[in-house]
Amino acid sequence: SQQGEEDPQALSIQEGENATMNCSYKTSINNLQWYRQNSGRGLVHLILIRSNEREKHSGRLRVTLDTSKKSSSLLITASRAADTASYFCATGGYNAGNMLTFGGGTRLMVKP
Amino acid sequence: EAQVTQNPRYLITVTGKKLTVTCSQNMNHEYMSWYRQDPGLGLRQIYYSMNVEVTDKGDVPEGYKVSRKEKRNFPLILESPSPNQTSLYFCASSLRGQGIYNEQFFGPGTRLTVL
Repeated sequence: SQQGEEDPQALSIQEGENATMNCSYKTSINNLQWYRQNSGRGLVHLILIRSNEREKHSGRLRVTLDTSKKSSSLLITASRAADTASYFCATGGYNAGNMLTFGGGTRLMVKP
Repeated sequence: EAQVTQNPRYLITVTGKKLTVTCSQNMNHEYMSWYRQDPGLGLRQIYYSMNVEVTDKGDVPEGYKVSRKEKRNFPLILESPSPNQTSLYFCASSLRGQGIYNEQFFGPGTRLTVL
């Protein structure tokens, strides 16, 4: 079962614009992680935010977490063509044993 | 170089022919896991291991076996593959045994086709 659901499923923007992706989940979590996947390749970890954190930054990435709404957002500022990829959120939940549960992903295309 | 390796990267096989996909990590990670990725379904966890000789089922374990005899290796075994196991498979590892609390490092993937 998918714990996290990303929105939108696909996003197309111009280089230099900001990209915002959202993730909603269903049960209590310990942390939420964002990963990037270039077409058909392995996932790369971007950022982890714990349930007691509200916002986290890493370079051009900004992640927010609202546990009351069970949602998170990933903002990529000043996007580049190289940011074209699929982005996944993953949740580690208290009720899910030791499993990390991934959402369906957002496909981001950044046009040069 | 710290990495997770998988072999083979591509495999075409026939229904019922037993196969093993190997996974190895050189980071001394306690936690290892297998996922499958299918269009529209995202990544689903098959099995995971918190340490040597400790394995547990994920969301979709049916038709798969795993073993963790050594810390660095976590092979995925399909005893009798069927076409519905055609998928892209990823192995991942994480530093601590409780893998959900840390970032996971993914292998490059194995694209399996079962005819």
